[in-house]
Amino acid sequence: QKEVEQDPGPLSVPEGAIVSLNCTYSNSAFQYFMWYRQYSRKGPELLMYTYSSGNKEDGRFTAQVDKSSKYISLFIRDSQPSDSATYLCAMSGAGILTGGGNKLTFGTGTQLKVEL
Amino acid sequence: EAGVTQFPSHSVIEKGQTVTLRCDPISGHDNLYWYRRVMGKEIKFLLHFVKESKQDESGMPNNRFLAERTGGTYSTLKVQPAELEDSGVYFCASSQEGAVYGYTFGSGTRLTVV
Repeated sequence: QKEVEQDPGPLSVPEGAIVSLNCTYSNSAFQYFMWYRQYSRKGPELLMYTYSSGNKEDGRFTAQVDKSSKYISLFIRDSQPSDSATYLCAMSGAGILTGGGNKLTFGTGTQLKVEL
Repeated sequence: EAGVTQFPSHSVIEKGQTVTLRCDPISGHDNLYWYRRVMGKEIKFLLHFVKESKQDESGMPNNRFLAERTGGTYSTLKVQPAELEDSGVYFCASSQEGAVYGYTFGSGTRLTVV
């Protein structure tokens, strides 16, 4: 069983729709949760991050973490064609703010297409 | 500031040959990471340098892979001899000390072994 499960899609939505992306995980040691966006032929770009459980909002994007259910979500409001990309969830364990960071465990990514 | 630079962007080699990938991190970033994505799978950690020292190489698949980081600056990842299953996209990332949220990824090297 993978440590992080993510539906690969593809997910196609009309412009203006609310998009919900999510990941489940099995490792209870994960404390740091991130969402990356990756455009074709580019590297992943950090979009949102949260520590432990809770919500975080940044413009049209909202990240949610439910550690009790081992479930994280990313919501995109008023989706735009420029949001078309692959969205990757990533996680890391505790104690990584000292000594220089730690490895990330990624989901497979969900391919999103926002149509005009 | 300049981002993380990787080259070549694409490499096609025959099975049994040697390939060397290079990564230039953001200036001042002590932490350098290599990750790999093989077809249809998730991006997976390979190893982590802090300056010139290997902090964690638990993700390196086997001894055909050799990573170095000269003087704590750029890094190379050599695959020798390459096998078909080594095909994929190799990403490099760098971050400042303690900045787990501060990963900056390069655009990757797409390696095809035929």
